[in-house]
Amino acid sequence: GNSVTQMEGPVTLSEEAFLTINCTYTATGYPSLFWYVQYPGEGLQLLLKATKADDKGSNKGFEATYRKETTSFHLEKGSVQVSDSAVYFCALKAGTASKLTFGTGTRLQVTL
Amino acid sequence: SAVISQKPSRDICQRGTSLTIQCQVDSQVTMMFWYRQQPGQSLTLIATANQGSEATYESGFVIDKFPISRPNLTFSTLTVSNMSPEDSSIYLCSVAFGGGHTGELFFGEGSRLTVL
Repeated sequence: GNSVTQMEGPVTLSEEAFLTINCTYTATGYPSLFWYVQYPGEGLQLLLKATKADDKGSNKGFEATYRKETTSFHLEKGSVQVSDSAVYFCALKAGTASKLTFGTGTRLQVTL
Repeated sequence: SAVISQKPSRDICQRGTSLTIQCQVDSQVTMMFWYRQQPGQSLTLIATANQGSEATYESGFVIDKFPISRPNLTFSTLTVSNMSPEDSSIYLCSVAFGGGHTGELFFGEGSRLTVL
């Protein structure tokens, strides 16, 4: 079946540090890949996505590249801010079904 | 986008009781889903709520335990029946527009249930 594996958190960084949150997946066919973010007290929201190999999704300074050869979709940001503190979820969607398969989430805490 | 309101936001329940969670959306949506997030676990899809017909349940989830209603395109309820401590979880309502083919979901803030 389909699955998503994320690095465990929490990840604690100082402001302006470089961020990488690893995500790898197992899926049949060619899934679409997503990063969702959950800020404190809010619902999950889509951060970025990529629908085919070598696509790069980007939003709010975050980027992730769909790497089929390594089945990965790592999330990166060059300089994090305190306001980026949140839980980040990697997810995939396989085929035409609307169902998403999520990773366990990685909590990021950014300090001054 | 969509604004999704869930009630209750949290509750503490006794073993053996049932609790109904409501999900209200500010616009008509095609697809509504219920997810569960157990402590330290990923989000798991419970079922797709279908308007005017029975919900479609994922493997491991049954209607008797998680009855779902969806009377219209903006509202759904999930009931957690005969609760046990293992049902302690965050329950999330989510929606998608169109056929959900883009994979973009909108989520409510979740309902945190603690079963004693």
